[in-house]
Amino acid sequence: AQSVAQPEDQVNVAEGNPLTVKCTYSVSGNPYLFWYVQYPNRGLQFLLKYITGDNLVKGSYGFEAEFNKSQTSFHLKKPSALVSDSALYFCAVHTGSARQLTFGSGTQLTVLP
Amino acid sequence: DTAVSQTPKYLVTQMGNDKSIKCEQNLGHDTMYWYKQDSKKFLKIMFSYNNKELIINETVPNRFSPKSPDKAHLNLHINSLELGDSAVYFCASSQDGGSGEQYFGPGTRLTVT
Repeated sequence: AQSVAQPEDQVNVAEGNPLTVKCTYSVSGNPYLFWYVQYPNRGLQFLLKYITGDNLVKGSYGFEAEFNKSQTSFHLKKPSALVSDSALYFCAVHTGSARQLTFGSGTQLTVLP
Repeated sequence: DTAVSQTPKYLVTQMGNDKSIKCEQNLGHDTMYWYKQDSKKFLKIMFSYNNKELIINETVPNRFSPKSPDKAHLNLHINSLELGDSAVYFCASSQDGGSGEQYFGPGTRLTVT
């Protein structure tokens, strides 16, 4: 079975400060890891993914994530937050043997001006 | 051009009715999905489908059925609607099933009264 945990329901950060949204996963086998963002009343948008290779993955809108196999984590980061980054962020995991993506419970990011 | 589109955007109906939500993707993807997002924003996979295989989440009631007239469309039919079916339903598509990122439609907000 595969599962994803996002331990923080809410993250608040001041504009211009670095942000981190946490994600840990549990899978048997090599994971495919994803981050998606959902703005109010919109569908999810793909941000970035890790399949293999370099542990630091860069994605859309200046976001990046670091794959840490020993800690089974895939935290989302951005060096300088913008108010427009405020949204709901979902981490997701998939393995080669599984047929469907499993999403975390989501983290609401609020960037304060 | 909209990559993944859904109709209708809003659907209000009474208990016991039968309704359908349509989904179309113009990305040439080989796999399509239906998700349910509840009032707490938790996202649950309902179905995934490509031209070879339908995978059904075992927790989905058999009142829900996906129908795919062709590779670009995956419609969701719901029979005997219940109050608990009220949610936002998202269609998505991807290439390569597992490692490919998913593209989401804008969602259909279903309200059962």
